[in-house]
Amino acid sequence: AQRVTQPEKLLSVFKGAPVELKCNYSYSGSPELFWYVQYSRQRLQLLLRHISRESIKGFTADLNKGETSFHLKKPFAQEEDSAMYYCALKTGANNLFFGTGTRLTVIP
Amino acid sequence: NAGVTQTPKFQVLKTGQSMTLQCAQDMNHEYMSWYRQDPGMGLRLIHYSVGAGITDQGEVPNGYNVSRSTTEDFPLRLLSAAPSQTSVYFCASQDAGEETQYFGPGTRLLVL
Repeated sequence: AQRVTQPEKLLSVFKGAPVELKCNYSYSGSPELFWYVQYSRQRLQLLLRHISRESIKGFTADLNKGETSFHLKKPFAQEEDSAMYYCALKTGANNLFFGTGTRLTVIP
Repeated sequence: NAGVTQTPKFQVLKTGQSMTLQCAQDMNHEYMSWYRQDPGMGLRLIHYSVGAGITDQGEVPNGYNVSRSTTEDFPLRLLSAAPSQTSVYFCASQDAGEETQYFGPGTRLLVL
């Protein structure tokens, strides 16, 4: 069975500090992983997908199949990064299996 | 485009009552899904549909029914509400050729 683990429920960092949100997965198939973000009073929205290997809002995430990880990183956190972040694994069809989420707070 | 819309925004039910949560999208997406979001549990897939007339169960389907008579609409029905169904419900849609799921604003349901 699939599993997505986000070990930190809460993460606080100071503005300008590096931030890393951890995500580990377990899946028998070929993994496709995503990071979704929910800002206050906004809808859940896609932040990153591992296939595109892009940087969005300064965030990057690399799929490490050996460590079964897909950690989200940003070198310098900004106050507007404060949000709820979900790591998600694509399973059959377009179904997403979500982790439990990490609430990031960037302290001014 | 309005994107994905959900009604109502908030609903209070008594145990045993029935209701339908509405979801509509105007992007002509084939795939639609329903999730519930509970504290400490993230989002869990209830039901999904890969096109009109086709639905299937997700991770937590018990107590919920769905139908997909049109591409645009994907209602979620609670036949006999239970307090365990108190949650925030999100509908999402996705185009066949894309990797992005588009989420609705959510419906907050309280079952007393």
